[in-house]
Amino acid sequence: GAVVSQHPSWVICKSGTSVKIECRSLDFQATTMFWYRQFPKQSLMLMATSNEGSKATYEQGVEKDKFLINHASLTLSTLTVTSAHPEDSSFYICSAVLRDYGYTFGSGTRLTVV
Amino acid sequence: QQQVKQSPQSLIVQKGGISIINCAYENTAFDYFPWYQQFPGKGPALLIAIRPDVSEKKEGRFTISFNKSAKQFSLHIMDSQPGDSATYFCAASNLNAGNMLTFGGGTRLMVKP
Repeated sequence: GAVVSQHPSWVICKSGTSVKIECRSLDFQATTMFWYRQFPKQSLMLMATSNEGSKATYEQGVEKDKFLINHASLTLSTLTVTSAHPEDSSFYICSAVLRDYGYTFGSGTRLTVV
Repeated sequence: QQQVKQSPQSLIVQKGGISIINCAYENTAFDYFPWYQQFPGKGPALLIAIRPDVSEKKEGRFTISFNKSAKQFSLHIMDSQPGDSATYFCAASNLNAGNMLTFGGGTRLMVKP
């Protein structure tokens, strides 16, 4: 089946540094990747939609300069949290869509900013 | 973004009982209604999903009931087990258009032995 590999699974970084999260589609081509953020005991909230070869579309309230999304190939989408601060600590999850079939999720990345 | 409302927020069920979680949606363009199970520190895992052309779908102990006219759908977990204790999310999307999933607020289920 369609698998999305997400790395790292967890990361701790110092405030002010940047962190890159990668999502790779292993056995299919993901033209669209969705990036979600989930705070403790809350639901998944869509941050942005990335499309291969074009600029990402960000949801209202999500800073595009802070959460840089790159979808340079059909098998790789990355989310970079720039100048991370403690309030960015969260669980980040990517998801690819296979039209008429369903969605496949990465395993998530737990980001802790200290 | 809250186009899918889920209830209850938390649920305690005795082992062997039936767990029922309900969701309501607003967007009539939605054509795909999945339920996900999530354990702490893990990504959501698909349990079961339904399309609007059927009113019920059953897979093992899990059943989705779908009411298109009321724009509601629910998850029934029969013979609930302690291992079912997790957070459950309903979601909805226009899958045919390749759009994103919109999630409900989640239900924390605890099944007591």
